[in-house]
Amino acid sequence: KAGVTQTPRYLIKTRGQQVTLSCSPISGHRSVSWYQQTPGQGLQFLFEYFSETQRNKGNFPGRFSGRQFSNSRSEMNVSTLELGDSALYLCASSLIGQSSYEQYFGPGTRLTVT
Amino acid sequence: AQTVTQSQPEMSVQEAETVTLSCTYDTSESDYYLFWYKQPPSRQMILVIRQEAYKQQNATENRFSVNFQKAAKSFSLKISDSQLGDAAMYFCALALTGANSKLTFGKGITLSVRP
Repeated sequence: KAGVTQTPRYLIKTRGQQVTLSCSPISGHRSVSWYQQTPGQGLQFLFEYFSETQRNKGNFPGRFSGRQFSNSRSEMNVSTLELGDSALYLCASSLIGQSSYEQYFGPGTRLTVT
Repeated sequence: AQTVTQSQPEMSVQEAETVTLSCTYDTSESDYYLFWYKQPPSRQMILVIRQEAYKQQNATENRFSVNFQKAAKSFSLKISDSQLGDAAMYFCALALTGANSKLTFGKGITLSVRP
């Protein structure tokens, strides 16, 4: 079974631009979560989508948004990029109903804002 | 709110030796899961071990085992017979059960393995 895939793997953007990152979960997984990883703040939860609905949201400004499609693929969008948005963005999928609550992570998208 | 604390930013272990990584957490909930995740330099985060809070027995996975002290809210990871491939960043994480199942991570600890 294929793992979680994220595209693109690397991205360089300029301040003020917007960016869209994509995540394809493991087949059959209906929950997709997004995390931001930075050296200073560590791993922080952005949001979770389940069955095309945002179920949980972390403490990030409204510039960060996401959506999930009917095939469970998810995208996150960051508008009006700031230098501080430079980070590794990880997505994780899980099989709801599984008692372990285990999340499977993708390789991440490295976003650099200049 | 849940918090996870990993107070040791770095640790080093000799190959074939045993090392213990510390983690403490705080939650007012009684039903939750605890995890240790490994993030090698390639950046793919993988699950090392999982512990259900309602289980008193400590989880083990081959060379990896945990010491779960629920009353003390402590969840340490022991790696036995350390191997060069164990070198990575290790994150302790907590997830509540139910709909609010997001992972709350600690800051992580960088483990190096000396040959």
